[in-house]
Amino acid sequence: GNSVTQMEGPVTLSEEAFLTINCTYTATGYPSLFWYVQYPGEGLQLLLKATKADDKGSNKGFEATYRKETTSFHLEKGSVQVSDSAVYFCALILYGSARQLTFGSGTQLTVLP
Amino acid sequence: EPEVTQTPSHQVTQMGQEVILRCVPISNHLYFYWYRQILGQKVEFLVSFYNNEISEKSEIFDDQFSVERPDGSNFTLKIRSTKLEDSAMYFCASEKDIAFEQYFGPGTRLTVT
Repeated sequence: GNSVTQMEGPVTLSEEAFLTINCTYTATGYPSLFWYVQYPGEGLQLLLKATKADDKGSNKGFEATYRKETTSFHLEKGSVQVSDSAVYFCALILYGSARQLTFGSGTQLTVLP
Repeated sequence: EPEVTQTPSHQVTQMGQEVILRCVPISNHLYFYWYRQILGQKVEFLVSFYNNEISEKSEIFDDQFSVERPDGSNFTLKIRSTKLEDSAMYFCASEKDIAFEQYFGPGTRLTVT
């Protein structure tokens, strides 16, 4: 079956530190990959996505590259801000008969001023 | 910017009672979903809905669950006889068309006592 394994949290960083949240996946086909973010008290928001190998998704200073050879989609940001404090979810979808997103367990990020 | 809305934000019910969770998807979207997240666990797919019928459902979505799009704008999830283990955050999502992105609502926290 399909699964997403995400770096365990919580992660605590100081403002302007470099962020990496690891994500690896197992899929029976060729998935599209996503990072969703959940700010306190809010729903899941799409942060970025990549639909094929070597694609780089980017948004709000966050980046992730679809690595087929290592089945990974690690999230990075060069300089985090306090406002980036949230829970980050890696997810995949295989379009076709199954349209369900498969999520990782989420990583809580806290950025301290 | 259009968004998915969900009501109520928090529902408390007694075991054995019926609950209906409501969602208003984005107006021109065609695909609708329910997911749930038990506290501390992964976000899990429950059901997808397209063209007024269920297109996919997970093992969690048993006979106690049903979905409906009664009036062309609302999308509801009914749990016929709630159990303690149904306590979770329930997220509704909608998608414009195949291979587009799923947009999530803020969630309804269901507490079964």
